[in-house]
Amino acid sequence: QVTLKESGPVPVKPTETLTLTCTVSGFSLRDAQMGVGWIRQPPGKALEWLAHIFSNDQKAYSTSLKSRLTISKDTSKSQVVLTMTNMDPVDTATYYCARITWDDDNYYYYVDVWGEGTTVTVSS
Amino acid sequence: DIQMTQSPSSLSASVGDRVTIACRASQSVRRFLSWFQQKPGKAPKLLISASFTLQRGVPSRFAGGGSGTDFTLVISSLQPEDSATYYCQQTYSAPWTFGQGTKVEI
Repeated sequence: QVTLKESGPVPVKPTETLTLTCTVSGFSLRDAQMGVGWIRQPPGKALEWLAHIFSNDQKAYSTSLKSRLTISKDTSKSQVVLTMTNMDPVDTATYYCARITWDDDNYYYYVDVWGEGTTVTVSS
Repeated sequence: DIQMTQSPSSLSASVGDRVTIACRASQSVRRFLSWFQQKPGKAPKLLISASFTLQRGVPSRFAGGGSGTDFTLVISSLQPEDSATYYCQQTYSAPWTFGQGTKVEI
């Protein structure tokens, strides 16, 4: 059974750096054509893609947040870590991690399994 | 970045109605389009991948279609448990982007 679990500090103060950890099970971060992405959702708003990383260490970031984000993985711990610098109250949101998998029939990546999410509140 | 626009933003329909949600991409995403269902306080759930591939366990009243820039999600006979917000997402070009969501009320 594939599961993902997010963890991180609550609350976070403005200007601090947020570090979120996604711990996965049921698949390996070494598996070919596999990856993990981070997505956030402010209260009452839409989903926003933040970043993703593949097993070959290829990474991609949101254009608007690229300067503040870093994604990395620790394969031995089955963890993917996202850091976001200079946190602001507008960054208050539920942060999700999700598995990215490869569609052999259609030759493309897609998101299939999501974690439950972790709520991050930015407040002084 | 590829912009994804869903319409309508919200709708209200009755049990048994046929409901159609549209998703338009600002440039072609071929068929690299997924649909998710999200209920309040829950993580999104994948319904459809590759524009029309229904995921295991998803009721057959859900159907997806389209390619290029225009896509649809159809619920053929709306059920009470379908009350949720639905999102499209393109994974053709990074950064991957979501539509703004369509809230379906019964």
